[in-house]
Amino acid sequence: GQNIDQPTEMTATEGAIVQINCTYQTSGFNGLFWYQQHAGEAPTFLSYNVLDGLEEKGRFSSFLSRSKGYSYLLLKELQMKDSASYLCAVLDSNYQLIWGAGTKLIIKP
Amino acid sequence: DVKVTQSSRYLVKRTGEKVFLECVQDMDHENMFWYRQDPGLGLRLIYFSYDVKMKEKGDIPEGYSVSREKKERFSLILESASTNQTSMYLCASSSGQGTTGELFFGEGSRLTVL
Repeated sequence: GQNIDQPTEMTATEGAIVQINCTYQTSGFNGLFWYQQHAGEAPTFLSYNVLDGLEEKGRFSSFLSRSKGYSYLLLKELQMKDSASYLCAVLDSNYQLIWGAGTKLIIKP
Repeated sequence: DVKVTQSSRYLVKRTGEKVFLECVQDMDHENMFWYRQDPGLGLRLIYFSYDVKMKEKGDIPEGYSVSREKKERFSLILESASTNQTSMYLCASSSGQGTTGELFFGEGSRLTVL
C-alpha cells in the first residue's frame, strides 16, 4: 500500500528552528508537496520538490532524498503565526496525490 | 488574488437529506477536486474533474456524486446524507496537466449529519 508518515504533533519555541519530517512509500514518485494549514482555514502551498536537495524560500526550506523516501520542512526564526498544521503530499506514478495526516506545530513564547 | 469559494462554511443536516456543496474558482483552472478531511487522516480524494462535463472517481466516491456544468463551478452532492459523512469538505483547483500543479483550496465546508 501507499503510505506517508509524519509526526502527529511537535512543539517548538518562538525564535528557534524546527524540522518536520515526512517519509513515504508510494508506487512511483513525481514530486513532493508541503502545505500549511492554520486551524479553520484552507491549506496553502509552501513548496514542491521533485529533485534531491534543499530548496530555500525565506525562513522555510524543504529537503528531498528520493533514494531514502524522505523529506523535511525546516522552519527558521519561528514566529507565533507559524503555529499550524503542515501537510506532506506525494505525487505517485499515476499523478495522484497521496497525503500524510499532517503535523500540528505548536509554537510557545 | 486567486480565490476558491465554497458556498457554506457550516451545515447541519439530518440523515437521509440531500446535500449540495458548491465550489467556485475564479482562476480559469481546468482541474477541480473534492476532498474530505478527518482528524488523524490525510486528505482523501472523493472526486475530481479535469474538464467541463468530465468527472473521475477518487479514492472514496461511495455515497457522493459531482457535477461540473461550467468550468468555474464544481458541485459535490450527497444523495442521502449519513452520519459517517460528517466531515470537513475541501474543494481545490489547479491549472496544468493533472495534479502536477499547486493546489488552491477553498476555506472548507464543515458538515454535520445528525
